[in-house]
Amino acid sequence: NAGVTQTPKFRVLKTGQSMTLLCAQDMNHEYMYWYRQDPGMGLRLIHYSVGEGTTAKGEVPDGYNVSRLKKQNFLLGLESAAPSQTSVYFCASSYGGSSYNEQFFGPGTRLTVL
Amino acid sequence: AQKITQTQPGMFVQEKEAVTLDCTYDTSDPSYGLFWYKQPSSGEMIFLIYQGSYDQQNATEGRYSLNFQKARKSANLVISASQLGDSAMYFCAMRIIQGAQKLVFGQGTRLTINP
Repeated sequence: NAGVTQTPKFRVLKTGQSMTLLCAQDMNHEYMYWYRQDPGMGLRLIHYSVGEGTTAKGEVPDGYNVSRLKKQNFLLGLESAAPSQTSVYFCASSYGGSSYNEQFFGPGTRLTVL
Repeated sequence: AQKITQTQPGMFVQEKEAVTLDCTYDTSDPSYGLFWYKQPSSGEMIFLIYQGSYDQQNATEGRYSLNFQKARKSANLVISASQLGDSAMYFCAMRIIQGAQKLVFGQGTRLTINP
C-alpha cells in the first residue's frame, strides 16, 4: 500500500516548456487535489477532482490544466511554464468530500522554472 | 470567505516542555473540520489531528490535543512533553462542505525544540 505517490520528485524547466506531473493513489479515494506551496506559505489549491472524469478549479488555477481519466490517477499539466510557477507541488486524496475526511498527501514535487 | 490565521511565525521551546500553537479561523459555514499537519524539513505533510465543528469534546491523539473554542473560533494545537523530533513547520487547515471542497491553510508556524 503505497498511499499517494508523485512523479517526478524534482524537475527543472525553462520558461515556455511544458510538463506533466503525475499523481497516483492506491486507496480507492474519490477525491483528489493538486496544491502548490510557495516559500513561507501554506498550501493553495490549484485544481481538484471529485471523481473519475471530473475536474474543477481551485484557488489558483491559471496556467495549469488537469485530467482524471482513471480514478487512481490525477495529472497536472503546465502548458507553458513561467518562473512564477516555481514551487513545490503536492497531490492529495481523500475518501469523500465531508469535512471529516482526512486528506492524504504525496511527498511533493519540487519544480524550478528558469 | 474562509480564512485561517496563524500568528506565530516561529516558536522556540525547550525539550520536554509543553507548547501551544495558535490557530484562529473564519467561516460562516456551520459544518467544517479543522486539521493540523506537520511538515518536517524533508517536506512531506503529516496529518496530526482533526476536530469537527459539531464535536463536543476536544480531539486528542497521543501527545497532541486540540484546544477547540468554537465561540472564539480558535483551534490551538497543544503538544505535551515536546521532543527534538517535533521541530518542524505546523499548519492549521480548515475544510468546509460548500464551495471548492478544499483545505484552506494558514501560513504555518515553525517550531524549534531546543535540547
